[in-house]
Amino acid sequence: AQSVTQPDIHITVSEGASLELRCNYSYGATPYLFWYVQSPGQGLQLLLKYFSGDTLVQGIKGFEAEFKRSQSSFNLRKPSVHWSDAAEYFCAVGASGSARQLTFGSGTQLTVLP
Amino acid sequence: GAVVSQHPSRVICKSGTSVKIECRSLDFQATTMFWYRQFPKQSLMLMATSNEGSKATYEQGVEKDKFLINHASLTLSTLTVTSAHPEDSSFYICSAPRTGIGADTQYFGPGTRLTVL
Repeated sequence: AQSVTQPDIHITVSEGASLELRCNYSYGATPYLFWYVQSPGQGLQLLLKYFSGDTLVQGIKGFEAEFKRSQSSFNLRKPSVHWSDAAEYFCAVGASGSARQLTFGSGTQLTVLP
Repeated sequence: GAVVSQHPSRVICKSGTSVKIECRSLDFQATTMFWYRQFPKQSLMLMATSNEGSKATYEQGVEKDKFLINHASLTLSTLTVTSAHPEDSSFYICSAPRTGIGADTQYFGPGTRLTVL
């Protein structure tokens, strides 16, 4: 069975600083990987996804993520954080090589200081 | 982009009553939809897979008689929490996959906050 680990429960960064959110997965084959963001009271919004090809994936809102098979990681990055980026971030892996059924990590809460 | 809606966004009910939550894919058809439950400060836990035209598939530990799922059409799935109790209070989220390049992408509804008094 697949699993996702987000080691950081809570991260605090200053506005304008760079950001990296960690995600490690366990899956027997090539995974389908996703990052979602959830703002208070809002549904999950897809930031980016990786299925195959280029291991550096660009997403919305200036986010990017890099798939590293050797490290079983799919870390999310942003070069300069904005106050509006404060939210909960979830990494997810698609089950059985499909995005149809997702397993989520426990989430990382991002706080942005002015 | 693809849009999934949920109704209601928030519901408060008395213990013992039943509550129906609707999930609609607004601009695409979905033969499969998923229902998740999210406790405060926690991740999403998959409850069940809703299948249009057939029975839902429930995850281990989820009571199918308590959480009734009906996939009435290619754009609508409903989750009914029967005889709700305070422990059923939670944030319920649905999702629907949309076929894209490579594989499907899940689009999530905004969620329904259920409070059982």
